[in-house]
Amino acid sequence: QVPLVESGPGLVKPSETLSLICSVSDASITRDYWSWIRQPPGKGLEWIGNIYHSGSTNFDPSLQGRVTMSVDTSKNQFSLRLTSVTAADAAVYYCARSFSPSQGGGWFDSWGQGILVTVSS
Amino acid sequence: DIYMTQSPSTLSPSVGDRVTITCRASQNVSPWLAWYQQKPGRAPKLLIYKASTLQSGVPSRFSGSGSGTDFILTITSLQPDDFATYYCQQYNDYPYTFGQGTKLEI
Repeated sequence: QVPLVESGPGLVKPSETLSLICSVSDASITRDYWSWIRQPPGKGLEWIGNIYHSGSTNFDPSLQGRVTMSVDTSKNQFSLRLTSVTAADAAVYYCARSFSPSQGGGWFDSWGQGILVTVSS
Repeated sequence: DIYMTQSPSTLSPSVGDRVTITCRASQNVSPWLAWYQQKPGRAPKLLIYKASTLQSGVPSRFSGSGSGTDFILTITSLQPDDFATYYCQQYNDYPYTFGQGTKLEI
């Protein structure tokens, strides 16, 4: 397990872009797969997508077109951008680590502490 | 998408009870299933992966079983620290999906 820390604005206006960064410690981001997962208040977990250090991404189809992810290997960080946010995007956002899906490694063994993002004008 | 359905949604067991939580997938995901425990205000914690492999450091009173579309999380001799919400997750295919959660209430 590795320490992960999310950072970014806790308040985003409707129709604007949500941007978050996850900083990874004690492990190289050039290994493994890195995900964003969110949890609306009082609700369950929703996988948003993941990224590999090559830049290869996979997203939940319901968010396709609004979501992008990127990796900064020099800073050992990865990021999330979600455009055109609405109240439905308000949630605690977690970053998490998983392993190679080709080897059946899609479980999340390390999670950040989560960051609450509110959508309001 | 693969839909994950957990039952029951809530449970009110007593300390010392044996607890079972069921997770059903809309299609075969075997053995690519994980279980997590989440306490209020905290990130989820991995308990079990590959349906039955206990994550390092997790107490042995937790166990996972099942195959195909039906999986079970069992907690033998429930402890006070185990009152939490439990989620299953499939990673057989993208998009990864979670069950809606099972809350163990005091």
